[in-house]
Amino acid sequence: SSELTQDPAVSVALGQTVRITCQGDSLRTYYASWCQQKPGRAPALVIYAKNNRPSGIPDRFSGSSSGNTASLTITGAQAEDEADYYCISRHSSGNRWVFGGGTKLTVL
Amino acid sequence: QLQLQESGPGLVKPSETLSLTCTVSGGSISSTGYYWGLIRQPPGKGLEWIGSIYYSGSTYYNPSLKSRVTISVDTSKNQFSLKLSSVTAADTAVYYCARHGTPLANDAFDIWGQGTMVTVSS
Repeated sequence: SSELTQDPAVSVALGQTVRITCQGDSLRTYYASWCQQKPGRAPALVIYAKNNRPSGIPDRFSGSSSGNTASLTITGAQAEDEADYYCISRHSSGNRWVFGGGTKLTVL
Repeated sequence: QLQLQESGPGLVKPSETLSLTCTVSGGSISSTGYYWGLIRQPPGKGLEWIGSIYYSGSTYYNPSLKSRVTISVDTSKNQFSLKLSSVTAADTAVYYCARHGTPLANDAFDIWGQGTMVTVSS
């Protein structure tokens, strides 16, 4: 089992807003980052340091955090956003990293 | 821009050692502020962090794999490498190299290699 907990699957209607959550004790101390992985592809960073987007990531992606929960929000989901999303954080000990189990997003 | 490329045998026999090398191009592995990590993904499953190394040689390992894992760095070749000993079928996975920043950078896994499939089978 993962030390960061994510819902296995979430669905959203095209153009609507969806929130993907990640829970874990380490999130009280360290920011989460989020990676998107499409089938057969390597993961790609979409959000880091709570709510920063790498160059090229659409502004419909945003992040937030409260207590032991981090969230990734997609405002106006597009068909190309259908993918697996993983949260990542340092472990509470500070000297290792942990990945959430992943959330499969389906855009209906 | 900076790129990572994994290389290694696609097939390893049970009980043997898996060896994989990650080559960094378009930038220096000795850049301050960044770790170099290895992550794996068994077929149909999620991502698992294996370990990371800083250019100085400091290493960090997943406790669940620590007894079998060695990660090293060769700054002259701009490479870092993984050795995973006593492999079993459970080690069959796509293995990824990735760069990730320290808190002074972005504290995130921001650049990934394309991944390489490693199968453990006799």
